[in-house]
Amino acid sequence: GESVGLHLPTLSVQEGDNSIINCAYSNSASDYFIWYKQESGKGPQFIIDIRSNMDKRQGQRVTVLLNKTVKHLSLQIAATQPGDSAVYFCAENRGNNNDMRFGAGTRLTVKP
Amino acid sequence: ETGVTQTPRHLVMGMTNKKSLKCEQHLGHNAMYWYKQSAKKPLELMFVYNFKEQTENNSVPSRFSPECPNSSHLFLHLHTLQPEDSALYLCASSPTGEDTQYFGPGTRLTVL
Repeated sequence: GESVGLHLPTLSVQEGDNSIINCAYSNSASDYFIWYKQESGKGPQFIIDIRSNMDKRQGQRVTVLLNKTVKHLSLQIAATQPGDSAVYFCAENRGNNNDMRFGAGTRLTVKP
Repeated sequence: ETGVTQTPRHLVMGMTNKKSLKCEQHLGHNAMYWYKQSAKKPLELMFVYNFKEQTENNSVPSRFSPECPNSSHLFLHLHTLQPEDSALYLCASSPTGEDTQYFGPGTRLTVL
């Protein structure tokens, strides 16, 4: 499944499938990007980050892809599990210290 | 456990009440933040403190008053709030000069 982030705020996938969550950012000067996961009743939790001098970064079951040409960021989750159900949102740093801007988020639901 | 704690977790108050939210971080960070999270909206940055000095006030109404007595503690004093101020208030911290922010669990505020 694939989401366009702010324009399609929900994504439903089958357990075991791969998930792709997308995010568009607006500032070409942004040089640092973070994906956060927020479960119900909890604060956002850091998942993975990437700097603008990279196109791809991998973590445990997660991969972030950055396309600076079209100002697009994606989060790929491999073998999605029920525990991955949460709201995922991206954040961009606009080049100034502490100036992080957050997207509204995509709600991921994993069906057993 | 992210090392950032917030109390209380839930708060219900009338429009004439005065209350305070508390945040404490155990990460040795020097920057702390207050965010407002409303349903289906991006995180809204409210205040930023670096080394106990307020460095950003993001056009927040004066009925919200922050206080940062030291680098580990941050308060948000609330007075004469409106029902539209009902939201999840999140505290975060980061090492000064670095971008990754670590969030607390939030305080769910309801203004009657």
